[in-house]
Amino acid sequence: ELKVEQNPLFLSMQEGKNYTIYCNYSTTSDRLYWYRQDPGKSLESLFVLLSNGAVKQEGRLMASLDTKARLSTLHITAAVHDLSATYFCAVVIPTGNQFYFGTGTSLTVIP
Amino acid sequence: DAGITQSPRHKVTETGTPVTLRCHQTENHRYMYWYRQDPGHGLRLIHYSYGVKDTDKGEVSDGYSVSRSKTEDFLLTLESATSSQTSVYFCATKAGISSYEQYFGPGTRLTVT
Repeated sequence: ELKVEQNPLFLSMQEGKNYTIYCNYSTTSDRLYWYRQDPGKSLESLFVLLSNGAVKQEGRLMASLDTKARLSTLHITAAVHDLSATYFCAVVIPTGNQFYFGTGTSLTVIP
Repeated sequence: DAGITQSPRHKVTETGTPVTLRCHQTENHRYMYWYRQDPGHGLRLIHYSYGVKDTDKGEVSDGYSVSRSKTEDFLLTLESATSSQTSVYFCATKAGISSYEQYFGPGTRLTVT
């Protein structure tokens, strides 16, 4: 069974600061996803990372993937209140179609 | 947004009663998934389908069954609801084997008393 660990589980940060969320997984995977979830809402896709060294950026969020270390990071630059949400990573095993999710990181950006 | 609807959106039921949740999609996606979301666990896969009448178990399938008689509909049945099945249930779809994106429905909040 594939295990996916995120840390931190809770993150409170001030506006304007930078921080990184980490996602470690236990088995070889060829795809890694990042999702955002607002309270009481569904999941919204942020990034799909498909290869070692992949880096994607959207606004103040940047995601990267190191398949050798089985690690993905989601870096937040100059946080703003609108980024407050829960962020999930998910992986898919090669040739599979089952998604394994991390426990999520609840981010609160404080003015 | 892949045109995914879930019904009901909220349900309260009693222990021991059967419950069926419905997921409906309009995009003709091949893959459909049922997840449950609980605090501290993220999302966990219950069952998924890779075509009409083709389903497989996920990591938390005990106490749940599924059916897919049409491409657009994926039903999740709790055969005899228990309080441990109180959760938020999400349906998701994926277009095909070579597609990457997974799209989520709005969720169903189920409370078992």
